[in-house]
Amino acid sequence: GEQVEQLPSILRVQEGSSASINCTYENSASNYFPWYKQEPGENPKLIIDIRSNMERKQTQGLIVLLDKKAKRFSLHITDTQPGDSAMYFCAASAVSGTYQRFGTGTKLQVVP
Amino acid sequence: GPKVLQIPSHQIIDMGQMVTLNCDPVSNHLYFYWYKQILGQQMEFLVNFYNGKVMEKSKLFKDQFSVERPDGSYFTLKIQPTALEDSAVYFCASSPQGDSNTGQLYFGEGSKLTVL
Repeated sequence: GEQVEQLPSILRVQEGSSASINCTYENSASNYFPWYKQEPGENPKLIIDIRSNMERKQTQGLIVLLDKKAKRFSLHITDTQPGDSAMYFCAASAVSGTYQRFGTGTKLQVVP
Repeated sequence: GPKVLQIPSHQIIDMGQMVTLNCDPVSNHLYFYWYKQILGQQMEFLVNFYNGKVMEKSKLFKDQFSVERPDGSYFTLKIQPTALEDSAVYFCASSPQGDSNTGQLYFGEGSKLTVL
C-alpha cells in the first residue's frame, strides 16, 4: 500500500508544446511531493516540489498540481525545449525522516 | 548548494567479494539514505538511518547488506558477499532534521557498482 504509480513511461512532444506527467500515491499520510529530473549518468535533481497544504505551485515553466482527495499529483512543463529531454521521477513521502517513494519514471523526449 | 559526496564513483569487483560504498553527507544533516538504481529504471529505496540506527529498510536490503556511520565519519553501505544482481548505481542522500526539514533529499552523484 505504499506504491507511487507514474504515467506515461515514455512521452514524446514537439518543441514548444507542453508535457504532462501524472502520479498517484496510496499512503494518505504523504505530505511532500518532489519532482526530479535525471540526465543520463547523473544523479536526480530536484526541479520543483509541493507540500500537502498547497494545490498548485509554479516556477520557471513548471507547474505542479496536487489533488489530495484523489491522491494524485502532476507535473506540467510548458513551452518544452530540447534541454528538457530527460528522465523525470515523481516521489512522495510522509513525516520527517521517512523515505521518499519514487515513481517508475517518465522518459521525456522533446523533438525539434 | 549543499553537496553529498560519494566515493568511489565507480567500482568493478568479482562476485563474492566485499565492497564498501562511502558517503559524506551534508554536514548538519542527520537523516541518511541509500537508494539503488539499475540502468534506466526507478530509484529504489534500500535503507534509511538516523541517530546511529537503521530506521526502515526495504526488501532489497538483503542480509548481505549493512550500513553504519562510525563516529560521524562516512555513512557506509557494505555488501558482503556481492552477487551479480547487485550491479547498479547506488545513490546516497541526506536530509536535515526539525523545522529546517522541508522533506527535501540531497543526493550524491552515485557510486556505480559492477559485479562480474
